Amino acid sequence: AQSVTQLGSHVSVSEGALVLLRCNYSSSVPPYLFWYVQYPNQGLQLLLKYTSAATLVKGINGFEAEFKKSETSFHLTKPSAHMSDAAEYFCAVSDLTGRRALTFGSGTRLQVQP
Amino acid sequence: DTAVSQTPKYLVTQMGNDKSIKCEQNLGHDTMYWYKQDSKKFLKIMFSYNNKELIINETVPNRFSPKSPDKAHLNLHINSLELGDSAVYFCASSPQRGGTYEQYFGPGTRLTVT
Repeated sequence: AQSVTQLGSHVSVSEGALVLLRCNYSSSVPPYLFWYVQYPNQGLQLLLKYTSAATLVKGINGFEAEFKKSETSFHLTKPSAHMSDAAEYFCAVSDLTGRRALTFGSGTRLQVQP
Repeated sequence: DTAVSQTPKYLVTQMGNDKSIKCEQNLGHDTMYWYKQDSKKFLKIMFSYNNKELIINETVPNRFSPKSPDKAHLNLHINSLELGDSAVYFCASSPQRGGTYEQYFGPGTRLTVT
């Protein structure tokens, strides 16, 4: 069974600082991986996805993530945090069978201090 | 021009009642899903339908019954509501053919059972 572990339920950074949100996955086959963002009282918005093409993936709002098979990781980064980045971030892995269900990590709440 | 919409956004009801949540997508996708997000923000798949056919039926009480009248709609009916059903329910959709398994989420329905 696939699983996702997000290290750190809360991360706090200063505005302008580097953002690093960690995600490790467990899968018997190379998976498809996703990062979603959830702003308060809103749905989930796709930030970026890894689908076995380039290992460094660029997403929206200046975020990027690097797939590292040897480390089974897919960490999310942004060079310079903005106040508007404060939200909950979810890493997810896709079931590559016909089910196509997403298995989510437990989420990381990003706080951005002025 | 909302891609995935849900109604209602908020639902407050008493234990024992029966309620429904509706979901519609205008993305032309073949597959739709229901996810439950609990109070700790954990997201878990409940059901998925592909072209009106039930594909995923996770370990969900049979008080929950999804219905898909056509591939653009997936409704969730809940009988005999219990306190533990309080959560945010998200509808999502994805293309079945091609694509890279990413899912597009609705804004969520916050269900509160008193």
